Amino acid sequence: ILNVEQSPQSLHVQEGDSTNFTCSFPSSNFYALHWYRWETAKSPEALFVMTLNGDEKKKGRISATLNTKEGYSYLYIKGSQPEDSATYLCAFGPNTGNQFYFGTGTSLTVIP
Amino acid sequence: GAGVSQTPSNKVTEKGKYVELRCDPISGHTALYWYRQSLGQGPEFLIYFQGTGAADDSGLPNDRFFAVRPEGSVSTLKIQRTERGDSAVYLCASSLRLGERSSYEQYFGPGTRLTVT
Repeated sequence: ILNVEQSPQSLHVQEGDSTNFTCSFPSSNFYALHWYRWETAKSPEALFVMTLNGDEKKKGRISATLNTKEGYSYLYIKGSQPEDSATYLCAFGPNTGNQFYFGTGTSLTVIP
Repeated sequence: GAGVSQTPSNKVTEKGKYVELRCDPISGHTALYWYRQSLGQGPEFLIYFQGTGAADDSGLPNDRFFAVRPEGSVSTLKIQRTERGDSAVYLCASSLRLGERSSYEQYFGPGTRLTVT
């Protein structure tokens, strides 16, 4: 079983603050890294699929970076809003097998 | 268009009973994944279908678990002789997937919460 770690486990920020969290994954046999947002009582929603070292992707106020050589990805949220409150999951896809390995998620609460 | 749907949304069953969980993927998605999420954990891979065949069932925890996708669309996850440890949220996801590896995003259903009493 491959180890995918996310930190912090939970985070409370004030509305308007910017925040970031980390996904760490094995630096060998990398194929793809996915980020998902999972709001309570809804389905996980894909945010980004990243495949290349140095990738930076952006969707509105959310952006992500990828370092495959050292095995980490950062997710940034600029000017957090209450609707950003959710659990953010990352999933590592190795270049062998068919599995995706998920982290345990970072639970973000944005306080109005 | 319609997203991934899963039924039932909640299932409570007694220890030892048989259960079936259904997943309706997005039309045209050839890849289908089943995951299990236990409390405090991330989703854990169970099985992957490419079309009708189970391309990888290495995540199924034991032979009480079985899944089918007979026509390459709807999939059913079957659990025999349920145990309390099977209690979890069972997630299904579908994806476009061409070739040996996929970088395509997965579209998840809302999950089925299974409780074994």
